Amino acid sequence: TQLLEQSPQFLSIQEGENLTVYCNSSSVFSSLQWYRQEPGEGPVLLVTVVTGGEVKKLKRLTFQFGDARKDSSLHITAAQPGDTGLYLCAGGWLSNTDKLIFGTGTRLQVFP
Amino acid sequence: DAEITQSPRHKITETGRQVTLACHQTWNHNNMFWYRQDLGHGLRLIHYSYGVQDTNKGEVSDGYSVSRSNTEDLPLTLESAASSQTSVYFCASSETGTGVGEQFFGPGTRLTVL
Repeated sequence: TQLLEQSPQFLSIQEGENLTVYCNSSSVFSSLQWYRQEPGEGPVLLVTVVTGGEVKKLKRLTFQFGDARKDSSLHITAAQPGDTGLYLCAGGWLSNTDKLIFGTGTRLQVFP
Repeated sequence: DAEITQSPRHKITETGRQVTLACHQTWNHNNMFWYRQDLGHGLRLIHYSYGVQDTNKGEVSDGYSVSRSNTEDLPLTLESAASSQTSVYFCASSETGTGVGEQFFGPGTRLTVL
């Protein structure tokens, strides 16, 4: 059973375009993390959000946690080729001591 | 610098053989995790450990085992490799007690079972 669904699964865009990736669940999470993974490497944490409605910005990346803590979005402004990679969301529960459930992933390709 | 390493990076084996994938971390983290990554499934948890002598099953644990004899290492063993276990395997670790702890991942092991 996949608890976290990401959309779209694949995204190919031109440099300079904006995009939004979605992470949805029917479950409530205590925290939501976003990771980026490049080919041949392990995922690397981008951000953690813990409060419903929370918005965090990391340069051109904006992350939002849904009010009900069941969903999240990642918005990239003026995408660059360096943003290319696999984006994974991961939900956690405080009671599970750092165990995470990962989403299905969104593979982003940004062309120059 | 602290790190988490995996070996081998690539492995080809035959159906029915026993295979062990190594994971070593120098973060001194109590929590360690093993995932497999397959297209369309993201990362799925195989086994995890919260400390020495502690091991727990994840959502896809059938055919896999782990043991934790020290803080640094969590080897993953495939008892009798099957073609369905062809995948990329990632080990991760995190600090205990934060509840929202960042997981640090190794570079992965690509396993092919023929």
